[in-house]
Amino acid sequence: AQTVTQSQPEMSVQEAETVTLSCTYDTSESDYYLFWYKQPPSRQMILVIRQEAYKQQNATENRFSVNFQKAAKSFSLKISDSQLGDAAMYFCAYRSTQGGSEKLVFGKGMKLTVNP
Amino acid sequence: DADVTQTPRNRITKTGKRIMLECSQTKGHDRMYWYRQDPGLGLRLIYYSFDVKDINKGEISDGYSVSRQAQAKFSLSLESAIPNQTALYFCATSDFPGEEEQFFGPGTRLTVL
Repeated sequence: AQTVTQSQPEMSVQEAETVTLSCTYDTSESDYYLFWYKQPPSRQMILVIRQEAYKQQNATENRFSVNFQKAAKSFSLKISDSQLGDAAMYFCAYRSTQGGSEKLVFGKGMKLTVNP
Repeated sequence: DADVTQTPRNRITKTGKRIMLECSQTKGHDRMYWYRQDPGLGLRLIYYSFDVKDINKGEISDGYSVSRQAQAKFSLSLESAIPNQTALYFCATSDFPGEEEQFFGPGTRLTVL
């Protein structure tokens, strides 16, 4: 079974600075998807970014980018120019590509505080 | 209007009561999921359904049951609620093949006293 580990339960960053959230996972599969979801105080789960394992290029979405290291099974999220609105819980998630196994496996989450 | 809706948004109930949480979606997705979120534990899968006739247990299905009334509706029931079922419950949908991400509803905060 796949597992996802977020080892840092909390982090803080100064507004306008850069922060990196770490995530590692364990799988025996070669093809899969990885996601970062954001959960603000409104509790809505919002997709931040996704990475397909067969793509070597790291995904980027505006101020958000990932460092995907497939061999190391590492998937970190970098937030540049942090904004107050980035304060939230962040969850790393894994999804298999095998038919019938498309459910998400989540890490335990990490609380990000952005200081003005 | 939201693509994935959940009712109720908040619910307080007593131990032993039967309660149903409802989820509806307008995305036309076949796949629907129920997750439970507890502080420090992330989201864990309770049940999932790939179509109206296909329902599967997830990681933590004990004490829960589900009903897929239609492609757009997926309900979660607690037959006899207990305090450790106090949690935030999310419904999600996805399309396969196609979009890889799951789309989440706004969540239901359930408190069992």
